[in-house]
Amino acid sequence: NAGVTQTPKFQVLKTGQSMTLQCAQDMNHNSMYWYRQDPGMGLRLIYYSASEGTTDKGEVPNGYNVSRLNKREFSLRLESAAPSQTSVYFCASDPGTEANQPQHFGDGTRLSIL
Amino acid sequence: AQKITQTQPGMFVQEKEAVTLDCTYDTSDQSYGLFWYKQPSSGEMIFLIYQGSYDEQNATEGRYSLNFQKARKSANLVISASQLGDSAMYFCAMREGYGGGYNKLIFGAGTRLAVHP
Repeated sequence: NAGVTQTPKFQVLKTGQSMTLQCAQDMNHNSMYWYRQDPGMGLRLIYYSASEGTTDKGEVPNGYNVSRLNKREFSLRLESAAPSQTSVYFCASDPGTEANQPQHFGDGTRLSIL
Repeated sequence: AQKITQTQPGMFVQEKEAVTLDCTYDTSDQSYGLFWYKQPSSGEMIFLIYQGSYDEQNATEGRYSLNFQKARKSANLVISASQLGDSAMYFCAMREGYGGGYNKLIFGAGTRLAVHP
């Protein structure tokens, strides 16, 4: 019953360091998503991938890159971390075959940038 | 631009009573969907209920129901017979349109619900 697995769960970086957040799902879902959650705000979409081999920008893509490595895995990279990227990051997936299918979320990565 | 508004930052309810969490949305699209998620203090996001814009009946899932008023652009979550475990943050989210096999969700800021014994 793994569902969506995110690693790491916690990370502290210094400004300017780079880091890749990993996400894998075992539900054979087509679509995958990366969100960030800041205090007092709902989740905001960073990037999404409708299928293997495709990625697109969401609402807040600046400062991030993504890779859809295969159908299971969707990684998020911070090339040069900034304090404004301190947040909780969620990966999600859904089957991508019908509109009423909910997204399944990982447990989140809490990232602090000093 | 699409937008979700949750006007209640915090709510409390007595155990076993019903509570309504408000959600209003703004969209110019005729086809859209509304989702409610629960986020306990442990942090995970748990899907609760879905309502499509063309659904004629209000959605229900166990103790959760959605009071969907299309003309008012509201999709309020009703939790009946509240339990202590219902204490959490609740998010309303909207999908505008559908195509290409993905759901781009816009989330509201959330409502924190506290259930008192």
